[in-house]
Formats: sequence, structure tokens, C-alpha cells
Amino acid sequence: SQKIEQNSEALNIQEGKTATLTCNYTNYSPAYLQWYRQDPGRGPVFLLLIRENEKEKRKERLKVTFDTTLKQSLFHITASQPADSATYLCALDNYGQNFVFGPGTRLSVLP
Amino acid sequence: DAGVIQSPRHEVTEMGQEVTLRCKPISGHNSLFWYRQTMMRGLELLIYFNNNVPIDDSGMPEDRFSAKMPNASFSTLKIQPSEPRDSAVYFCASNNPGSKNIQYFGAGTRLSVL
Repeated sequence: SQKIEQNSEALNIQEGKTATLTCNYTNYSPAYLQWYRQDPGRGPVFLLLIRENEKEKRKERLKVTFDTTLKQSLFHITASQPADSATYLCALDNYGQNFVFGPGTRLSVLP
Repeated sequence: DAGVIQSPRHEVTEMGQEVTLRCKPISGHNSLFWYRQTMMRGLELLIYFNNNVPIDDSGMPEDRFSAKMPNASFSTLKIQPSEPRDSAVYFCASNNPGSKNIQYFGAGTRLSVL
């Protein structure tokens, strides 16, 4: 059965450092991989999408990599700030079929 | 645009009662998704509609759950009868087919079944 894992439930880092979150999957061949941010009491908000044939995508301080051989995506936040503290979810999509979210990683950026 | 609108934001009910959750998707979006989020199971897809038609309801836990989309601007998720294990946050999301399945979520309904 399909399985998605995110490296840890919680990650604490110091302000200014780079946060790296991991998403691993098995028994899935996604066409797209997406990353969402979720704040307490709110719904997830889309951040970035990367296609299966793309290696890397950037948006401001965010960077996503996608390795379909390793079945892994890395999500980086550079120059992290306390405002980046949230839960980050990866999601796999195969052209609208079998859209699946990972369990999330709760990131805390300490001042 | 007001985004995806869900109501109520909080619902507290007693076991055995009927619960109806409501969702208004973003205008122009033709797909609508219902999710349930718990600490133990994370965010689970319950059902999704395309052009008001249910496409995949394999995530609906059991017959006590039902969902309808009578028109493009409204959907309901009903639980009858409700049980304590149904306590969770229920999210509705919509998307535009031209947006590579990027999902736009509502603020959710926090359901507590006592």
C-alpha cells in the first residue's frame, strides 16, 4: 500500500539557519509533489509544486528537490525566521488520482 | 475572493446525533474534496467531487458518512449517527483543473462528539 513518511514529527532549529524537511514515499509514482504549510487552527496552504521530471524548484527562501529514484523530496527554508514556525505537509498527486498527504513535520524556529 | 468557506467552525454534539458540515468552494473551481484530520491519522481524503459528481468515496469510513454536492457552490458532509471516534477537524478544499491539482482549503470544522 502507499506510504508517505516525513522525517520527524517535530524539528527545532535556530533562527537564521536552514531548515531541511524530508518526505519519503513508497508504492507510488507521483506526477507532482506538493508542499503545504499549516498553522494551528487553519487549513493547509499551498507553497510549492514540483513535477516528476524536475529536480529542483525555488521560491524566495524556499527550495524543493525531487528525486524519483530515491522516492524522496527535500524542502529547505533558508535564513529561517520564527514566523516560519508551522507544520509542513508534503502531498503526492498522480494527475488528480490518489492525492495523498504526508503526516507533516512541525517546525519550530527559535529566536 | 473569500476562499473556501466552511460552517460551522466548531460543532459539539452528543453521540448518536446527526451532524451536517457545510462547504462553499471557490467560485469557478470544479473539484471539491472533503478531508478529516486527526493526530493519529493525519489528513485523510474522505471523498472528492468533480463537476458535482462523486468520483472517489473510498476514504469514507463507513455508511454513517455521506456527502452531497447538489450544485457547484455547495457541498455537505453528514454523519448519522455520530460517534466519539468521529471527533476530528474536517476540511473542505477545492481546486481548479488548470492549477495542477493545487488545493485551496477552508478553515475547517472542529467536531467534538461527546
